Amino acid sequence: GAVVSQHPSRVICKSGTSVKIECRSLDFQATTMFWYRQFPKQSLMLMATSNEGSKATYEQGVEKDKFLINHASLTLSTLTVTSAHPEDSSFYICSARPLTWGDEKLFFGSGTQLSVL
Amino acid sequence: DAKTTQPTSMDCAEGRAANLPCNHSTISGNEYVYWYRQIHSQGPQYIIHGLKNNETNEMASLIITEDRKSSTLILPHATLRDTAVYYCIVRVALSNFGNEKLTFGTGTRLTIIP
Repeated sequence: GAVVSQHPSRVICKSGTSVKIECRSLDFQATTMFWYRQFPKQSLMLMATSNEGSKATYEQGVEKDKFLINHASLTLSTLTVTSAHPEDSSFYICSARPLTWGDEKLFFGSGTQLSVL
Repeated sequence: DAKTTQPTSMDCAEGRAANLPCNHSTISGNEYVYWYRQIHSQGPQYIIHGLKNNETNEMASLIITEDRKSSTLILPHATLRDTAVYYCIVRVALSNFGNEKLTFGTGTRLTIIP
């Protein structure tokens, strides 16, 4: 099956610093990737839809200047949490849709646990 | 997308069949039923999906009622590794060029008991 690699799996940073999370589709191309956030004991909440070569579409209430998304190639999307604060501590998950398989499912990365001190 | 209702939690004995129900009474004719699961601290994993016929793969079976207002995911021989949160999602099929997203509800926390 398709593999989505997400890195790092865990990161601890100081308040005020920026953190970059990478999401790669290893064996397929994806024009669209999705970024989710999940707080403890809660469901996944969609943050933004990332389209290769264009600006991301953010869900209501998600600050686009704080959560910078870049989708520069068909296999890589990055999420940068700028000036992170403790309330940004969460589990971040990306997912990708294969471009040409004609398959009707999304594949997810293993997630990144962000802890802001 | 149609809303789904799932029990908050369920237990199942190891080796037995786990039957997870999902109600989706407002489902539209072109909406599929998808099931994903999330093991603790991991990304969601696709299990199965269907439109109106029952489906089976190596992981599970999906039974959809004739009126399509509810469905059941069946794990035929549950193991401890099946302990996870199971999400039932209904939505239109992903097209080749669309940006369709999956919206997750609260899911069912399934615990397999040794």
